[in-house]
Amino acid sequence: GAVVSQHPSRVICKSGTSVKIECRSLDFQATTMFWYRQFPKQSLMLMATSNEGSKATYEQGVEKDKFLINHASLTLSTLTVTSAHPEDSSFYICSASRGFYGYTFGSGTRLTVV
Amino acid sequence: AQTVTQSQPEMSVQEAETVTLSCTYDTSESNYYLFWYKQPPSRQMILVIRQEAYKQQNATENRFSVNFQKAAKSFSLKISDSQLGDTAMYFCAFMKPYTTNSGYALNFGKGTSLLVTP
Repeated sequence: GAVVSQHPSRVICKSGTSVKIECRSLDFQATTMFWYRQFPKQSLMLMATSNEGSKATYEQGVEKDKFLINHASLTLSTLTVTSAHPEDSSFYICSASRGFYGYTFGSGTRLTVV
Repeated sequence: AQTVTQSQPEMSVQEAETVTLSCTYDTSESNYYLFWYKQPPSRQMILVIRQEAYKQQNATENRFSVNFQKAAKSFSLKISDSQLGDTAMYFCAFMKPYTTNSGYALNFGKGTSLLVTP
């Protein structure tokens, strides 16, 4: 149980286009989801906190107009990278809160902008 | 703000041996949760073990155990009988107490890369 599905696992897009990444909790309701970015051989950097039915809270330095987050239901949060540029290439991971049990993570999305 | 420090960027251990990964943290909270996550080459984050700060008993999950020293703000992970499949990046993480209407993000350390050799 407690599975978080993240799609796509890999995506290549052209510079200037937008990419949407989906994060779904399959067997539990997730009031809160989190989006992280991870550079090679580095730790996870929190980008934003997504609460169902309300606006996302972004961490300092994260452009909210570039990284659009929508959490329209208790099982789905999406991250849209708008007008992507090569510097946005990274590994993006979502996670869903399960209270004390910690967080269940999606399998991640490797974004390459060419 | 809470900070999590992992002072060992890389470690190596031979198969069947025991290895300990260090983690210290800084917080003014009296109650909180601590976690160790494993990230193998697939990059899927996998929960290894968790600890509630108000519990003095150290958590244990099969070959994995922790040494939780609340006063020293230390939370080390011991892996016994190391296996090749334990090769991964290990992250120590801190979480403030969960509330019913929201959740707090995990604060991660920088990670320790563990290599298990034959």
